Amino acid sequence: GAVVSQHPSWVICKSGTSVKIECRSLDFQATTMFWYRQFPKQSLMLMATSNEGSKATYEQGVEKDKFLINHASLTLSTLTVTSAHPEDSSFYICSARDGLAAEQFFGPGTRLTVL
Amino acid sequence: GQQVMQIPQYQHVQEGEDFTTYCNSSTTLSNIQWYKQRPGGHPVFLIQLVKSGEVKKQKRLTFQFGEAKKNSSLHITATQTTDVGTYFCAGYGSGNTGKLIFGQGTTLQVKP
Repeated sequence: GAVVSQHPSWVICKSGTSVKIECRSLDFQATTMFWYRQFPKQSLMLMATSNEGSKATYEQGVEKDKFLINHASLTLSTLTVTSAHPEDSSFYICSARDGLAAEQFFGPGTRLTVL
Repeated sequence: GQQVMQIPQYQHVQEGEDFTTYCNSSTTLSNIQWYKQRPGGHPVFLIQLVKSGEVKKQKRLTFQFGEAKKNSSLHITATQTTDVGTYFCAGYGSGNTGKLIFGQGTTLQVKP
C-alpha cells in the first residue's frame, strides 16, 4: 500500500508555543489529506480536510485560527497548533487519499504533549 | 448528522475463540471500510465493501455489508494473539462529502 509519513512522531512543548506537524505522501500524489485527532481509547475525530492549493475545510467546533493547515503541494500538508495549551495534548494523525482511491492511508501519528 | 455506531466497545476472548464486531450507520453508506489499529500504532486499511450484501474474506477474517448498506460486520474465526487491536469501521456517507465517518471502534483483547 501507499506510504504516508508524519514528522515528528512525538513532541513535547511548553504552553503558549506553536508546534508544526508535517504529513507527507511518499509514493503517490495526495489530492486530499485529512487531519484527525485521537484521544486515548477513543475513535478518530476528523478535524479538517485539506485539498492541495485551497483552504482547508474545518469540522464544526475546530478552531481554524488555532489549528492552521497548509497543503502547499500534492505530497505535503502541515498542521500547526498555535499557542498550544495542555488540553491540546493528543495523538494527531493525518491521512492521504489520491483522487481515484476511496481508501485512506494513514500516517504513523504525532503524539503531542503540552506542558 | 451522520453517525456510525460500533458494538461492542471492548471484547476479551480466549485464544481460539471467535470474535465479531458490528457496525451500524444512521444513513445509507456508499461503501464501508474496515481499519485495524494496533496498540500505539495508527489505523491500517483492511478492506472496503461496496455492494449491497457483499461478503469478503481475508484468511480468518470475514467482512459483510448489509443489504440496506447501513450495517456491516467483521468476524474473526479462531482468534490469535496477533489479532489484538482496535477495529474501526468507517463509511462515506451519501452526498459525496469525501469524509470518512468512523465508528467508535471495538478493542479486542486475546488471552493466550
